[in-house]
Amino acid sequence: QSALTQPPSASGSPGQSVTISCSGSSSDIGGYNLVSWYQQHPGKAPELLISEVDQRPSGVPDRFSGSKSGNTASLTVSGLQADDEAVYYCSSYAGSNNPVLFGGGTKLTVL
Amino acid sequence: EVQLLESGGGWVQPGGSLSLSCGVSGLTFHNYAMGWVRQAPGKGLEWVAHIGGDGYGTAYADSVKGRFTISRDNSRTSLYLRMNSLRVEDTAVYYCAKDVRYYYGSGSLYTYDKWGQGTMVTVSS
Repeated sequence: QSALTQPPSASGSPGQSVTISCSGSSSDIGGYNLVSWYQQHPGKAPELLISEVDQRPSGVPDRFSGSKSGNTASLTVSGLQADDEAVYYCSSYAGSNNPVLFGGGTKLTVL
Repeated sequence: EVQLLESGGGWVQPGGSLSLSCGVSGLTFHNYAMGWVRQAPGKGLEWVAHIGGDGYGTAYADSVKGRFTISRDNSRTSLYLRMNSLRVEDTAVYYCAKDVRYYYGSGSLYTYDKWGQGTMVTVSS
């Protein structure tokens, strides 16, 4: 199975909102409500932002929100802050044979 | 505080073997499935393998199937990854990660909420 498709880059000014898309298929994103999003700063391990499409773990600011429509999931970052500058990865369950797919990552730049 | 600490990375020639370990503290280890995720230099995340809280329910990426083996020792609160027949393209930082869901409720969620700092594996001649 192919990786999920994300735009390589996104940008926004402080205070603005940015939405990052993640495109898959009916075998992964479209077939299960098991999309997650991770944030990774340079040289650091990834951190979970969103699970099960739109669930925020405790400690994650409500500026981060997730959604899904058909085979495409989205992460919206509202009220952009300088520290939001990072790479964002989507992930989806894709069935028991090869359960986890990641997107290629989107580098978010805060202008 | 939950902590995951990987060890065992290093340099190995193509065709060689290496074993990674991940020590986990701060939680009831056997209650959670665990996984390995890797990241080649300058590249994105790639899921590698997953194991249920009871040591069953293993799954592997196609790229490592038949070459890598994931295991765990709940008495030692440790996760392992045995890597055989290593290839140049296996060069990456390897992260161990904890599944977000309590395993004995509804099984794995294949979503990871705690990660180690990673250990580098270099496969080169």
